Amino acid sequence: DQQVKQNSPSLSVQEGRISILNCDYTNSMFDYFLWYKKYPAEGPTFLISISSIKDKNEDGRFTVFLNKSAKHLSLHIVPSQPGDSAVYFCAASGVRTSGTYKYIFGTGTRLKVLA
Amino acid sequence: DAGITQSPRYKITETGRQVTLMCHQTWSHSYMFWYRQDLGHGLRLIYYSAAADITDKGEVPDGYVVSRSKTENFPLTLESATRSQTSVYFCASRSTDTQYFGPGTRLTVL
Repeated sequence: DQQVKQNSPSLSVQEGRISILNCDYTNSMFDYFLWYKKYPAEGPTFLISISSIKDKNEDGRFTVFLNKSAKHLSLHIVPSQPGDSAVYFCAASGVRTSGTYKYIFGTGTRLKVLA
Repeated sequence: DAGITQSPRYKITETGRQVTLMCHQTWSHSYMFWYRQDLGHGLRLIYYSAAADITDKGEVPDGYVVSRSKTENFPLTLESATRSQTSVYFCASRSTDTQYFGPGTRLTVL
């Protein structure tokens, strides 16, 4: 049972435009969400996170939106740059509600930013 | 160098052989994790450790063994490798709410 879903395996966007990556989750106990970025032959690197007490968190060109009622989060990248081309993983945990420090990851979305 | 390292980076082995993947972190983080990445499955948790001598199973622990005698090291052993264990393995350690990943080990089981 996939508790964290990224239904779009790939996405292509023109340089300078907005990239929107989506993630859905099923477990209402999740209270902390993260996005990781992964380049080929490297480990995932932390990008941005959001706690369930917020509905938006912004860091430079990256903004994460959380819709708790829909159990949906999205990552917006504005403007998109060729260096943003990577695989993006969404992750969720319930550390504050259940005490678990385990993250559940989605299957990833490959973003390609076209110059 | 500070951070988290994995060795070897690439490994080819044969079915039935024992293989150990090493993971070392310099931050003294309490939590450490092992994941495998496979196409269509994303990152799946194999085992994790809350501290030295405390380990627990993740989503896909079968066929793997871990130990953690020192805080900084978290080796993962495949006791008898199978073809289905061909994958990229990532080690991670955790500070507060953020996990930091190593560069990965690409393991091929023939």
